[in-house]
Amino acid sequence: QVQLQESGPGLVKPSETLSLTCAVSGYSISSGYYWGWIRQPPGKGLEWIGSIYHSGSTYYNPSLKSRVTISVDTSKNQFSLKLSSVTAADTAVYYCARHVSRRQFDYWGQGTLVTVSS
Amino acid sequence: EIVLTQSPGTLSLSPGERATLSCRASQSVSSSYLAWYQQKPGQAPRLLIYGASSRATGIPDRFSGSGSGTDFTLTISRLEPEDFAVYYCQQYGSSLMYTFGQGTKLEIK
Repeated sequence: QVQLQESGPGLVKPSETLSLTCAVSGYSISSGYYWGWIRQPPGKGLEWIGSIYHSGSTYYNPSLKSRVTISVDTSKNQFSLKLSSVTAADTAVYYCARHVSRRQFDYWGQGTLVTVSS
Repeated sequence: EIVLTQSPGTLSLSPGERATLSCRASQSVSSSYLAWYQQKPGQAPRLLIYGASSRATGIPDRFSGSGSGTDFTLTISRLEPEDFAVYYCQQYGSSLMYTFGQGTKLEIK
């Protein structure tokens, strides 16, 4: 069974870089699919951040593109998110998920809350 | 960017009743690219419907999806207590990005 698990600091200072990792088990990232990040501010809706293929090709939400980097480490079967110059508006639960290109997100991590505060 | 508008914002129904949730797109969306999710408090979203009308693995047949173009519907034929949650539609668009609707909260009346 495919499982995803986010990890990283729960508290980040304003202007710093948010870094999260998603460890995948039960499926090899190298076998295919896209791997994405989605966030949800407290009490609000879902926002797609960006996605990566196992080859390393990426595509990002244009509204976040200038601050986002997503990378993949197939040897560790994990992928990562970096979001720079964070502000309080970046406070959210961050989810990692698997998806078919141009299609649905079928497996999700449990999510991790990241708070931006000094 | 395609904007998805869900209605109603909140739907109050009783167990056993039928629920009809709407998702309207600002531009035409390929049915292949339209999905629905259920989210309960403190949990990640769960995929219910993909390709506008196909149920995901393990999803009960009381859940069904329909629609095309700019208007899509999620129907729950007979509400069970565990169905009360927030529902989101999601699409992939020509601008190479994924967007979600703002959600419909289905609450017990």
